[in-house]
Amino acid sequence: NAGVTQTPKFQVLKTGQSMTLQCAQDMNHNSMYWYRQDPGMGLRLIYYSASEGTTDKGEVPNGYNVSRLNKREFSLRLESAAPSQTSVYFCASSYTGLDEQYFGPGTRLTVT
Amino acid sequence: GENVEQHPSTLSVQEGDSAVIKCTYSDSASNYFPWYKQELGKRPQLIIDIRSNVGEKKDQRIAVTLNKTAKHFSLHITETQPEDSAVYFCAASPAGTALIFGKGTTLSVSS
Repeated sequence: NAGVTQTPKFQVLKTGQSMTLQCAQDMNHNSMYWYRQDPGMGLRLIYYSASEGTTDKGEVPNGYNVSRLNKREFSLRLESAAPSQTSVYFCASSYTGLDEQYFGPGTRLTVT
Repeated sequence: GENVEQHPSTLSVQEGDSAVIKCTYSDSASNYFPWYKQELGKRPQLIIDIRSNVGEKKDQRIAVTLNKTAKHFSLHITETQPEDSAVYFCAASPAGTALIFGKGTTLSVSS
């Protein structure tokens, strides 16, 4: 079991560029999540998918879009990157919203 | 929406002492309260959780208490060890769909 995997691990973008962060899990989990982590701000929920075919906004969704491609995969897209989106992005998954979340290794994104 | 406040933001203790981290939440409908530990450069990992029908839960040196009336819950670590040094996050689950995290507590245990 690989658990939760994320690609890429590191990325540098210029302002205005777009990119997609990929996340996949092999634990047959129903729910998947995207967080961003900034110093002193904790983990902030960007979007989540409670089940295949559904997505919902979290605390900080502006500037992002998501796609639940299938049960295994949940991608996060930045259409026009801004320096304020410089952060570490974590994907996570769980059976339901009331179960342990398993986190991926994170993607460190820098927008210049 | 749900708001989770966590205190203190930093905590320094001597090895062998106890450490207590406190969180408050705003949404009375929240019913699941996990705690995650994140070591430097690593991903968060669950250390203990509690559900709203339980007041206290223990796992070896770690315990969590929940007061639903006051809307607060706490993490207690006894006999702290240097390997307990990490950032600890509390969280609450409004409507059982996702987690809202506190801003974290950096615990430093010195030997």
